[in-house]
Amino acid sequence: NAGVTQTPKFQVLKTGQSMTLQCAQDMNHNSMYWYRQDPGMGLRLIYYSASEGTTDKGEVPNGYNVSRLNKREFSLRLESAAPSQTSVYFCASSTGGNVHEQYFGPGTRLTVT
Amino acid sequence: AQSVTQLDSQVPVFEEAPVELRCNYSSSVSVYLFWYVQYPNQGLQLLLKYLSGSTLVKGINGFEAEFNKSQTSFHLRKPSVHISDTAEYFCAVTLVDSWGKLQFGAGTQVVVTP
Repeated sequence: NAGVTQTPKFQVLKTGQSMTLQCAQDMNHNSMYWYRQDPGMGLRLIYYSASEGTTDKGEVPNGYNVSRLNKREFSLRLESAAPSQTSVYFCASSTGGNVHEQYFGPGTRLTVT
Repeated sequence: AQSVTQLDSQVPVFEEAPVELRCNYSSSVSVYLFWYVQYPNQGLQLLLKYLSGSTLVKGINGFEAEFNKSQTSFHLRKPSVHISDTAEYFCAVTLVDSWGKLQFGAGTQVVVTP
């Protein structure tokens, strides 16, 4: 039981390049989330998926797209990376509904030069 | 919309001393409240949560928090810290019917020294 896994752990991109961050959970959770963490700002929600087949914008969605590939997997795509997207990205999952405990992955540290 | 304020960005504390981390929130509707801990280079781990019922909530690793609705606060305490409690602590809030969309505070870095 691996919980929430994320790949890659580290990535360096040049401005304008694209990439996809992968997230998978093996807890049969319904809801999945993508956050970014920046110093002094805590975590901010980028996108979430309340259930398989649905996605919605969070607080800071600009410059990102997501895909809920199936119940297990939720990917985050940067189409044209910008230096402002340098951050640590966390994926999380939860049972959903009235159960609000979220389980977090280990994070992806992304640097855009 | 709800918001969360963690009043201290860094809290230095000696080993075996007590620690209190302060968290205030603002919301016009009912909320659920959480404290998460992040050890260096790791993801976040839930310490404790308040959903309803008793306002004193006990969590893992000897931590507890008290929900105070009139003060809109959810302060975290531990009576005696260990070196291993060195970490960043995040307070978070979600609206009762918001599908778990968490609003995080900026975090409090706790540094425990011998």
